[in-house]
Amino acid sequence: DTAVSQTPKYLVTQMGNDKSIKCEQNLGHDTMYWYKQDSKKFLKIMFSYNNKELIINETVPNRFSPKSPDKAHLNLHINSLELGDSAVYFCASSLRGSKSLFGQGTRLTVV
Amino acid sequence: AQSVTQLDSHVSVSEGTPVLLRCNYSSSYSPSLFWYVQHPNKGLQLLLKYTSAATLVKGINGFEAEFKKSETSFHLTKPSAHMSDAAEYFCVVSGDTGTASKLTFGTGTRLQVTL
Repeated sequence: DTAVSQTPKYLVTQMGNDKSIKCEQNLGHDTMYWYKQDSKKFLKIMFSYNNKELIINETVPNRFSPKSPDKAHLNLHINSLELGDSAVYFCASSLRGSKSLFGQGTRLTVV
Repeated sequence: AQSVTQLDSHVSVSEGTPVLLRCNYSSSYSPSLFWYVQHPNKGLQLLLKYTSAATLVKGINGFEAEFKKSETSFHLTKPSAHMSDAAEYFCVVSGDTGTASKLTFGTGTRLQVTL
């Protein structure tokens, strides 16, 4: 199936840990994104990469670092996790700025 | 800067009755507008997209939206609600950087469908 897939779907971890969320798309898209959805369901963009180049970098703590090894993958690494990082993180992709397709989300819980 | 305002945080309708979810946008140029739906504990699914080709946009599952520039609105409608339509709906405006589509989401409208 052609899709945007994220792993893991659920992630529970302790404060202070470092964790990564992986995202892969097999749609041939050239742009990938990370969005954060908070406990009130509000969604906000964090990062975007086009052909492995960072093009959108919103005001996000530098504990969050995206990494794009190739244009089909965009991973999100988070250092020194805090309680406030608990959220659902969505990966998305698009082709040259057209409609974005989203992954199923990763629910991160920091305890 | 662009933004969208969803006028209702919660809408409740009876099954078989019409659905209206309201959205107003603010944009300094002709915007690209979307509606996305999120079912409980699920990802985001694109319902429909407006990109200036036609003011009335038909989407999946019987939904449609009409772009009204004079009212800066992009309301989502469906003639007859089904129980499976119960979900969170997001109105979204796109800021196109040329190579990326920076989506700005509204705060969402929770649609409840009752028997």
